[in-house]
Amino acid sequence: EAGVVQSPRYKIIEKKQPVAFWCNPISGHNTLYWYRQNLGQGPELLIRYENEEAVDDSQLPKDRFSAERLKGVDSTLKIQPAELGDSAVYLCASSQSRDVWYFGPGTRLTVL
Amino acid sequence: TQLLEQSPQFLSIQEGENLTVYCNSSSVFSSLQWYRQEPGEGPVLLVTVVTGGEVKKLKRLTFQFGDARKDSSLHITAAQPGDTGLYLCAGDNDMRFGAGTRLTVKP
Repeated sequence: EAGVVQSPRYKIIEKKQPVAFWCNPISGHNTLYWYRQNLGQGPELLIRYENEEAVDDSQLPKDRFSAERLKGVDSTLKIQPAELGDSAVYLCASSQSRDVWYFGPGTRLTVL
Repeated sequence: TQLLEQSPQFLSIQEGENLTVYCNSSSVFSSLQWYRQEPGEGPVLLVTVVTGGEVKKLKRLTFQFGDARKDSSLHITAAQPGDTGLYLCAGDNDMRFGAGTRLTVKP
């Protein structure tokens, strides 16, 4: 069974440019999470979806970040415009239950 | 937001030594998870603890959930270089992680 798939794995952009990350969760997993992980830190939750509904987006910087999960399967996280401080690894995870989460390999974003 | 504090932040030991890392909170959790993350990869689940006082063993790793379900510990016996990584705890209440303990085991 395929795990959580993320693309791209790496992205380098200049500040003020837009960027998008894509995540395909494990088949059948209704819950999808986007996390941001800064160097040397633990992952920080950005948004959690239950099917297509965003049930927790309290940590998502809504002025520049947006996310969607239109059909309750794959999801896209967008930043527009990117800032230097957005450089981080963006992780996607999915789960069927609240106590077992499966993570993708992440997208490493570098903003120059 | 329920804060999870992990200690120590960094730990560097020699192969064969034992170690314990901690995850503490002022909040009660229904369950708590431990993950290990290696460079360039996402976190991988090691164990979930659910019952207060529960002890789970995974080969040389022993996980304990506090009686009050507010804290947990991870003990590694006879550490090996392959144990090197970032150890993270997370609570199911709001799916948030601690900052992690970065473990380095030297051969």
